Amino acid sequence: AQKITQTQPGMFVQEKEAVTLDCTYDTSDPSYGLFWYKQPSSGEMIFLIYQGSYDQQNATEGRYSLNFQKARKSANLVISASQLGDSAMYFCAMTRGAGSYQLTFGKGTKLSVIP
Amino acid sequence: NAGVTQTPKFRILKIGQSMTLQCAQDMNHNYMYWYRQDPGMGLKLIYYSVGAGITDKGEVPNGYNVSRSTTEDFPLRLELAAPSQTSVYFCASSYISAGDTEAFFGQGTRLTVV
Repeated sequence: AQKITQTQPGMFVQEKEAVTLDCTYDTSDPSYGLFWYKQPSSGEMIFLIYQGSYDQQNATEGRYSLNFQKARKSANLVISASQLGDSAMYFCAMTRGAGSYQLTFGKGTKLSVIP
Repeated sequence: NAGVTQTPKFRILKIGQSMTLQCAQDMNHNYMYWYRQDPGMGLKLIYYSVGAGITDKGEVPNGYNVSRSTTEDFPLRLELAAPSQTSVYFCASSYISAGDTEAFFGQGTRLTVV
């Protein structure tokens, strides 16, 4: 079975600063995918970034980067130059890799950006 | 761009009532999913579909049914609603399987069973 752990229920960051949201995972599958989704107060889930277990380089998407440390089974999200609009819940999720259907989600981290 | 549309956005049901949560996507995605999100928790998969006429159970299917008669629509049926089904329900779709690409989510349906 797969498991995602997000140990930070809430985080605060000053506007324009960088912040790291922690995510550790547990799986026995050799192939898997790691995702981060953002859930603003309006409720929708917004895809941010994806990392495949065999990807050699850490994924980046604009201000988002995924710090993937396979040996430590961690997939931390780094947000650079935080903006007020980044205030939201952030969920780490994983799948069993190519062809799998089920996303397993962590409990989320609530990020608050302070002006 | 409509994306994934869920109706209704809010609903209050009495114990034992039934209802259908509607989900439609206009992206011609083959894969569609229903998740529930309980307070303070991540999402859990209820059912998924890999194409019209094909559905399968996810992690928490008990108390729910689905059908997929068209590529666009994936309704979720609650029979004999129970307080344990109070949750926010999300429909999602993806072009290929969720393990290979991002999934697009609807805005959710907040259901309360009293």
